[in-house]
Amino acid sequence: GAGVSQSPRYKVAKRGQDVALRCDPISGHVSLFWYQQALGQGPEFLTYFQNEAQLDKSGLPSDRFFAERPEGSVSTLKIQRTQQEDSAVYLCASSLGRGDNEQFFGPGTRLTVL
Amino acid sequence: GQNIDQPTEMTATEGAIVQINCTYQTSGFNGLFWYQQHAGEAPTFLSYNVLDGLEEKGRFSSFLSRSKGYSYLLLKELQMKDSASYLCAVRAGNNRKLIWGLGTSLAVNP
Repeated sequence: GAGVSQSPRYKVAKRGQDVALRCDPISGHVSLFWYQQALGQGPEFLTYFQNEAQLDKSGLPSDRFFAERPEGSVSTLKIQRTQQEDSAVYLCASSLGRGDNEQFFGPGTRLTVL
Repeated sequence: GQNIDQPTEMTATEGAIVQINCTYQTSGFNGLFWYQQHAGEAPTFLSYNVLDGLEEKGRFSSFLSRSKGYSYLLLKELQMKDSASYLCAVRAGNNRKLIWGLGTSLAVNP
């Protein structure tokens, strides 16, 4: 399909483990966003890329969270030394241009930290 | 600061009309979005308002009043498949990021 894909769909990690979550945006989409969504809550902004440039990382909750998009397409969100409060669904979204309004979301990765 | 309020839950009957309200407080308002999210699925885009007035798209309409910091999503001819969470989100300034409400869980009953 031509939509946003994310992998893995589900991830169980032991507290203290590092995890890497992958996002494949729609081909040609300039903007890429990462969100964290806790159960029953709205998404919380984490970070935003325009091509390979990370223009806003104000939502990353701590320095354990790191995101990259080295070639302006695929993005990886890495969480180091995971903690139980990191358990959530991590959503990736992309949009066509810098000024484009509609964001297309991937299915999310559900992270459970034990 | 920025704040978005919407009701937590609503219930409606199949075939009826329902209005979901959203109020916001933000500086540098630059657009309001409505998304639909079914349980366990990703949000999907419904509408975007940046100017005052009503935007209609099929069974769904969205209204914005910037002076009042108020929007609503109107769903007509409700169907069972409309049971979902409806998320209001606001963009402020030139920043691309969206500030999201907690969502309104709508249950459509037969």
